[in-house]
Amino acid sequence: EAGVTQSPTHLIKTRGQQATLRCSPISGHTSVYWYQQALGLGLQFLLWYDEGEERNRGNFPPRFSGRQFPNYSSELNVNALELEDSALYLCASSLNPERGSNTGELFFGEGSRLTVL
Amino acid sequence: AQSVTQLGSHVSVSEGALVLLRCNYSSSVPPYLFWYVQYPNQGLQLLLKYTSAATLVKGINGFEAEFKKSETSFHLTKPSAHMSDAAEYFCAVRPFSGGYQKVTFGTGTKLQVIP
Repeated sequence: EAGVTQSPTHLIKTRGQQATLRCSPISGHTSVYWYQQALGLGLQFLLWYDEGEERNRGNFPPRFSGRQFPNYSSELNVNALELEDSALYLCASSLNPERGSNTGELFFGEGSRLTVL
Repeated sequence: AQSVTQLGSHVSVSEGALVLLRCNYSSSVPPYLFWYVQYPNQGLQLLLKYTSAATLVKGINGFEAEFKKSETSFHLTKPSAHMSDAAEYFCAVRPFSGGYQKVTFGTGTKLQVIP
């Protein structure tokens, strides 16, 4: 069974540009989460989608946005890139934590490393 | 609201020594608790999870953790460290209760294993 896949693996952009990161969840998982892991700052929660709806949002400016498609894959868009957006962006998926006895444990992809010059 | 505190951002142990990584949680309702490991330039991998079935939880790679409600702790241990255990470890919490309660991660502890 395929795990969570993310693309691209690496992305280099310049300030002011836009970046789009993509994530495919594990088959059967309806929830997709995005985290930012900048150097020395740990895991910062960005967004959570389930069944196509945004369920929760972290403390990030509106230029961080995303969406979830009918096949449950997801896209993270970062507009007007700033130098401090350089980070590893991790996507995770889970079963819907609101159904049954799902613990909501997350399964992570390998990440997309965004470098802003 | 829930939170997780990991004591010690860096821990060093000698190969063969006991590994103890500390995690304390705060949650207004009973929680699910998780430990994840992250190797350099990789995503996070689940080591083990507490789901109320048993207070002592065994995970992969010889790790285990004990849920202590009175101490609100979920410390991670391994009897004998191996060089391959060098990585960053994250404790995480999610409440049992309904609603779209997200998983909250601690700030992580980097484990160094000295030969």
